[in-house]
This record gives sequence, structure tokens and C-alpha cells, in this order.
Amino acid sequence: GGIITQTPKFLIGQEGQKLTLKCQQNFNHDTMYWYRQDSGKGLRLIYYSITENDLQKGDLSEGYDASREKKSSFSLTVTSAQKNEMAVFLCASRGHANTEVFFGKGTRLTVV
Amino acid sequence: DAKTTQPDSMESTEGETVHLPCSHATISGNEYIYWYRQVPLQGPEYVTHGLQQNTTNSMAFLAIASDRKSSTLILPHVSLRDAAVYHCILRVGWQQGTGSKLSFGKGAKLTVSP
Repeated sequence: GGIITQTPKFLIGQEGQKLTLKCQQNFNHDTMYWYRQDSGKGLRLIYYSITENDLQKGDLSEGYDASREKKSSFSLTVTSAQKNEMAVFLCASRGHANTEVFFGKGTRLTVV
Repeated sequence: DAKTTQPDSMESTEGETVHLPCSHATISGNEYIYWYRQVPLQGPEYVTHGLQQNTTNSMAFLAIASDRKSSTLILPHVSLRDAAVYHCILRVGWQQGTGSKLSFGKGAKLTVSP
């Protein structure tokens, strides 16, 4: 089996700061996703990528950048952290022929 | 916006069979129905999925209405470990080479009492 590793698990940043979240998967999956989950709410898609160097905007891409440096890694950058941005950011991946999506454990962002 | 409707919460007791309903009245013909569950401090975990026929696996039974406008996730003999938020979602926009977006709503919080 594989695993999705998100780093860091907890991230504290200052308002206006640029922050980067990282995600690694060893499933050899083609597609990777970044979701944001606010407390007590559902998941909202920020960016996804179907292959290395590909980027597709989700419903919540404004204020974020993403980078698929290689097949196994997908990073997300908060361009200017805001206090209403405190949430859990979840990375996920899916193989080309496999319809199941696997999720990481998340990065919990706090902005002070 | 999420295209599915679920109750906010449901309560059960250990050993019971739980029926979790989901309404998806505007589902498209090529959309699959997926169920994930999520416990605190973890990402969502895949439970099952289906298109038209009922499906079953070691975790649950998925009953899909004949018109596909609703489905029910059936959890037999629940235990305390089944307490989680259950998400009913539709897979949208899948075509070869374009990826597959999953849209999540709030889900239904299942509470299991001893």
C-alpha cells in the first residue's frame, strides 16, 4: 500500500505572510488534489493536477498558487495569509485507472 | 455548491444497522455516487461507490434508487469505530486525461452509542 504525507502537520503564520504546504504520495498516482476544509464544513477544491507540471483551478483558487514539481509531489502556496483562512488543508491523489481517491491527514493552518 | 443533500446528523447504538440517506435529484447520467467517511484529525476515507446497481463490500452496502435520484449507505452492525462524518458525493467531469473532481458537502455526522 501507499501513503500520502503532508508537511507540516501544523502551520502557524502571520497575516500577510506567504506560506507553503507540501504533499508527497508514493502510490505513483497521476492526479493530485488540494482541498480546504473549514471547521464543521465540507471540503472545497483549491487546485488539482492530472500529471507532472499540470495545474487546474478548483472552486477556491484565488489567493493560492500550486506547483506539481514531479509526479509524486504537489505543493500549495498561500500567497498572503489572512485570518479567515484558518482551516485544514487536505491533499489527495488518484490513479489513472483507479477511481478511489486517497487523502492525507491534513495540514492545520493558523494565522495570527 | 454540493449537489447532494444529507441529514446533518444521525444517532445509533452499537450493533444496529444504520441507513444513511442521500438525495441527488440532479445527478447526471455519467456521475458516480461516492461515499467517504471522516473522523477527527484525519482525511476522508473511501467507503464505497456505485453507478446504477447496488454494491457491497466489507464496509457497507450501497443501495441506489432505480431513478438514481437518491441512495442509501447501509452499515450493518455498527461499532463505536463507525462514528464519523459520512460524505455522499458525486464524481463530476471525469474524462480521460482531465482528472476527476470530487465535490464535498458537510456530510452527515453519525454518532454511535455503546
